[in-house]
Amino acid sequence: KQEVTQIPAALSVPEGENLVLNCSFTDSAIYNLQWFRQDPGKGLTSLLLIQSSQREQTSGRLNASLDKSSGRSTLYIAASQPGDSATYLCAVRYSGGGADGLTFGKGTHLIIQP
Amino acid sequence: DGGITQSPKYLFRKEGQNVTLSCEQNLNHDAMYWYRQDPGQGLRLIYYSQIVNDFQKGDIAEGYSVSREKKESFPLTVTSAQKNPTAFYLCASSIGQGPWYEQYFGPGTRLTVT
Repeated sequence: KQEVTQIPAALSVPEGENLVLNCSFTDSAIYNLQWFRQDPGKGLTSLLLIQSSQREQTSGRLNASLDKSSGRSTLYIAASQPGDSATYLCAVRYSGGGADGLTFGKGTHLIIQP
Repeated sequence: DGGITQSPKYLFRKEGQNVTLSCEQNLNHDAMYWYRQDPGQGLRLIYYSQIVNDFQKGDIAEGYSVSREKKESFPLTVTSAQKNPTAFYLCASSIGQGPWYEQYFGPGTRLTVT
């Protein structure tokens, strides 16, 4: 069974710092990996989608990398701002059979201190 | 504006009652999904539908039912058989039937059963 783990569970940093969020998955049989942002009590906002054949994707201050063979992904946030405070979720689309949906990690709760 | 709408935002029910959560999308997406989110846990897949009049069970389908009579609508019924129905329910959609497509999420419905 595919499992997704996110480390750390919570992170608090001063504004302006660059930071890295980590995601690992147990089975490398994936179609893709998606990073989301969730604000309290809200739905999920898609940030980046990396297909299994890709190594990284960039959007503005965000850069996500994927190492499928080692079962790892990182989300790099440059020059963090208080508005980046949210929970960040990592999810994989498993290709090894079973239900066709995303398998999620529990998230990293990020606080950017002004 | 294109997007996914879920209604209502908050829903309260007495134990033993069935309740239906609405999910509508005007993105012309083929595939739709229902996930459940509990505190401290990752999202879990309940049901999904890749085309009209067809749907499949996810990882935690027991106590839930769905229908897909129209492309834009995918309602979820939480039945009295669901042992722990109180949760945050999220609907998602993706443009294609294949696993390579990005999933987009609605704002969610918070269901409280007492």
